[in-house]
Amino acid sequence: KAGVTQTPRYLIKTRGQQVTLSCSPISGHRSVSWYQQTPGQGLQFLFEYFSETQRNKGNFPGRFSGRQFSNSRSEMNVSTLELGDSALYLCASSWTPSGNTIYFGEGSWLTVV
Amino acid sequence: AQTVTQSQPEMSVQEAETVTLSCTYDTSESDYYLFWYKQPPSRQMILVIRQEAYKQQNATENRFSVNFQKAAKSFSLKISDSQLGDAAMYFCAYRSVLQRSYNTDKLIFGTGTRLQVFP
Repeated sequence: KAGVTQTPRYLIKTRGQQVTLSCSPISGHRSVSWYQQTPGQGLQFLFEYFSETQRNKGNFPGRFSGRQFSNSRSEMNVSTLELGDSALYLCASSWTPSGNTIYFGEGSWLTVV
Repeated sequence: AQTVTQSQPEMSVQEAETVTLSCTYDTSESDYYLFWYKQPPSRQMILVIRQEAYKQQNATENRFSVNFQKAAKSFSLKISDSQLGDAAMYFCAYRSVLQRSYNTDKLIFGTGTRLQVFP
């Protein structure tokens, strides 16, 4: 059974550009959530999707957005990149939003220069 | 709002010995989940063990076990027979069970404990 797959794994972008990260959850999992990990702020919740609907959003500016497709795959987009957006972006999936087993992908490393 | 505190930034243990990582949390809810995740240098978050708050029995997964003290809001992780592969960052996390507010679905993480294992 494949785990949570995130692409790309590593990317470098320039300030002002935009980036799209992709996440394919474990087969059968319909809830996908995103987290940002930085040395200074630790692990912070970005947003959660279930059945193509955003259920919850963390305290991030509107430059951060996401969506979920009918096959439960999710994408997150960051527009007008800033240096402070450099981080590891982790995607997690579970059967449902209230699931007690949550699995993470390997993350996407974003460096903004 | 719920908070999770890990007061030990770093811990070390000798191979084959036992180590305990501490975690405390604050919540007004009675039902919730608690997790320990391991993050090795590859940075993938690996679920180590989980505990449902309504269960009094402490969870165990092979060499990993927890000491869940609900009244004290404490959730420590014990690693027995430590192995070199256990070296990693360990994160304690909390998740509500309530469905009334969508804001309760997220995982709330502590700041992590870096565990070093010496041969």
